[in-house]
Amino acid sequence: AQSVTQLDSQVPVFEEAPVELRCNYSSSVSVYLFWYVQYPNQGLQLLLKYLSGSTLVKGINGFEAEFNKSQTSFHLRKPSVHISDTAEYFCAVSDNYKLSFGAGTTVTVRA
Amino acid sequence: KAGVTQTPRYLIKTRGQQVTLSCSPISGHRSVSWYQQTPGQGLQFLFEYFSETQRNKGNFPGRFSGRQFSNSRSEMNVSTLELGDSALYLCASSLGGGSMEGYTFGSGTRLTVV
Repeated sequence: AQSVTQLDSQVPVFEEAPVELRCNYSSSVSVYLFWYVQYPNQGLQLLLKYLSGSTLVKGINGFEAEFNKSQTSFHLRKPSVHISDTAEYFCAVSDNYKLSFGAGTTVTVRA
Repeated sequence: KAGVTQTPRYLIKTRGQQVTLSCSPISGHRSVSWYQQTPGQGLQFLFEYFSETQRNKGNFPGRFSGRQFSNSRSEMNVSTLELGDSALYLCASSLGGGSMEGYTFGSGTRLTVV
């Protein structure tokens, strides 16, 4: 079964600083990877997805992620965060009509 | 266009009761999935339906069931509620539910079992 591991449970960061959220996956076959964001009391919103092709994927709200097959990683980055980026972020892998999620990373942006 | 609609948003039930949650997918989406989110277990897959057929099921007891109607709307039912069933239940829809698609999530139903 495919799975993902998010390496950081909490990431505090100052406003306008860069942030990186780490995600490793395990799979022996082609993978389809996703990053979702969840704001308080809301559902999940898709930030970006990797299906194939270019290893650098750009998403919404200035986020981007890099797929690295040799390191089985799919790290999410943003060059400059805002207070409004405070949320929980989930890495997920898709297989057999379902998503398998990591445990999530809580990002807290401080002024 | 309208997003994924889940009703109700909040629900309080007593142990032993049963509950039905509803999900209306985005118009044109034929796949509906359900997930349970708890602080301890995170996001866990319950089941997925496409054209009224269940194509995959997560590792949950038989008390958890679901169905999909011909208009793609879906319901999930939990019978004999336990305290541990307290969770945010999220519904997601997609065109066909294949691996290459992203899924659009609803805002969830917050179930509290007392």
